[in-house]
Amino acid sequence: NAGVTQTPKFQVLKTGQSMTLQCAQDMNHEYMSWYRQDPGMGLRLIHYSVGAGITDQGEVPNGYNVSRSTTEDFPLRLLLAAPSQTSVYFCASSYSTPGEGYEQYFGPGTRLTVT
Amino acid sequence: GNSVTQMEGPVTLSEEAFLTINCTYTATGYPSLFWYVQYPGEGLQLLLKATKADDKGSNKGFEATYRKETTSFHLEKGSVQVSDSAVYFCALSDFGGADGLTFGKGTHLIIQP
Repeated sequence: NAGVTQTPKFQVLKTGQSMTLQCAQDMNHEYMSWYRQDPGMGLRLIHYSVGAGITDQGEVPNGYNVSRSTTEDFPLRLLLAAPSQTSVYFCASSYSTPGEGYEQYFGPGTRLTVT
Repeated sequence: GNSVTQMEGPVTLSEEAFLTINCTYTATGYPSLFWYVQYPGEGLQLLLKATKADDKGSNKGFEATYRKETTSFHLEKGSVQVSDSAVYFCALSDFGGADGLTFGKGTHLIIQP
């Protein structure tokens, strides 16, 4: 299993450009999430999905769109990139074990710079 | 809303010292609690978790006990190693993690030989 994969690893955008951060998991996990990590802020939840076709907003959803057409993929779209979106983005997937709760698996991250 | 507060870093210790990283939380229900570790240049890895009050999570010599009465989940290790140098995040979820996690800001731990 490759686990959770993210592409690209690094990206530089100009203000106003758009792009999609890719996330895929091969563990058949039902739940997937996107976070951004900023210095001194920890990780903050952007969007999450509890299954194909179902998404919801997290703590900091503005400026980002998501969709979940398959169990495996959960892309994050930046429609009009802004310098405030410079960050490291992590995708995660999770599953539930009866009596044990959920365990999240994180991808390696995408470092995005918006100039 | 939910929140997690953990001690600010960096925390610098000598090898074989005792480690405590404090974590307290605010949640509306009975959350599951987690500690994650991030090594330089890598993503986050689950270190340990507890899903109900008085549960003790443990892994790789690290321990944390879910204390509902003090809303705390402090991370401890009896004897740290240089290889434990990393950033440690405390996190919670009201629904066990399916709806994403609320993280603390992270504590940078530096272990000196």
